[in-house]
Amino acid sequence: AQSVAQPEDQVNVAEGNPLTVKCTYSVSGNPYLFWYVQYPNRGLQFLLKYITGDNLVKGSYGFEAEFNKSQTSFHLKKPSALVSDSALYFCAVNPFGNEKLTFGTGTRLTIIP
Amino acid sequence: ETGVTQTPRHLVMGMTNKKSLKCEQHLGHNAMYWYKQSAKKPLELMFVYSLEERVENNSVPSRFSPECPNSSHLFLHLHTLQPEDSALYLCASSQDKGTGDEKLFFGSGTQLSVL
Repeated sequence: AQSVAQPEDQVNVAEGNPLTVKCTYSVSGNPYLFWYVQYPNRGLQFLLKYITGDNLVKGSYGFEAEFNKSQTSFHLKKPSALVSDSALYFCAVNPFGNEKLTFGTGTRLTIIP
Repeated sequence: ETGVTQTPRHLVMGMTNKKSLKCEQHLGHNAMYWYKQSAKKPLELMFVYSLEERVENNSVPSRFSPECPNSSHLFLHLHTLQPEDSALYLCASSQDKGTGDEKLFFGSGTQLSVL
């Protein structure tokens, strides 16, 4: 069975502070990992993905994520939060060779001015 | 804009109605998807089409009926829905449905309310 967990429903961060949105996974094999963002009244937008190689992946809007195999985590990070980063963030996992993408329940990120 | 357009944006229907959701992608992609998004639940994959052929159906009730007449258009036909079917229905596309590393492009969704 494959699953992905986002342990925090809500994360609040002051503008200008670093932010982290957590994601852990449990899959067999070497997973493909993704982050998507959903702004109000919009569909999901791709932020970044990890397939192989460097554990630190850089994506859109200054976000990055670190793949940690020993902790089975893929946390999303940004050094300095902007109010416009406020949105719903989804982590997703796809085991290598498997074609079904499994999404987490989402984390609502609110950046406080 | 993501290149994936969904209509209508909002839909209210009674349990005995028949309605259809429409999705169109302008990206030249070969795979299209229907997802259901409910509050505080993971996105649920409903249907996948690759080159107009249905390749996945995740045990979705028969009151949801997909149609993919060509690689640019995807429909979801609805009939005799239940109130628990109220949700945001998202359409997505990807270049291909291959090894699972493709990124998905989503439409803005149809917010469905079943009364």
